[in-house]
Amino acid sequence: DAGVIQSPRHEVTEMGQEVTLRCKPISGHDYLFWYRQTMMRGLELLIYFNNNVPIDDSGMPEDRFSAKMPNASFSTLKIQPSEPRDSAVYFCASRYTGTGHMNTEAFFGQGTRLTVV
Amino acid sequence: LAKTTQPISMDSYEGQEVNITCSHNNIATNDYITWYQQFPSQGPRFIIQGYKTKVTNEVASLFIPADRKSSTLSLPRVSLSDTAVYYCLVVLMDTGRRALTFGSGTRLQVQP
Repeated sequence: DAGVIQSPRHEVTEMGQEVTLRCKPISGHDYLFWYRQTMMRGLELLIYFNNNVPIDDSGMPEDRFSAKMPNASFSTLKIQPSEPRDSAVYFCASRYTGTGHMNTEAFFGQGTRLTVV
Repeated sequence: LAKTTQPISMDSYEGQEVNITCSHNNIATNDYITWYQQFPSQGPRFIIQGYKTKVTNEVASLFIPADRKSSTLSLPRVSLSDTAVYYCLVVLMDTGRRALTFGSGTRLQVQP
């Protein structure tokens, strides 16, 4: 498996524009996570899905942020409209937690570096 | 969710053993302890996990005392490439909440 794949790797956009970040988790993984990392706030959990269903979106900063997982192999994180304070590295991660599987290992993508000007 | 506390930064030299201690005083019965490593411009990477006593793999050892209120990640004979941020996490293994919550981490700088 190629691991968790995120696209684009870098995104520069103007304030007010819509931004869509994409993630392909590792096949067979049942959990998918979206994180945001900045120098000031560190690595923050935004939202996570279990079997394509959103479980906890309490980390989503505001209504401008939305995430979907239409199927087991694809997820998006959308920001509309984008603002300069959204500039950060956004990571997607996936994890397998099958029955009786005591495994805390999550696999992270390379991240998308978003710059909003 | 159990809160973790670890040193903000540590310095070491090549070839030395590095021990990073993390405290998690309110760890619950069903929590596991896990450590991740993050290099600049990369996502975090799993290093090791444990529940109690000692766990060792090809990268590190994890020591967990009987009360499980702390844990120590041990990196044997570090090299320059071990310079990274190391995160200690407490992960709930009950169904319903499988998210990984990261704290501030420990920034390890290895000098030649």
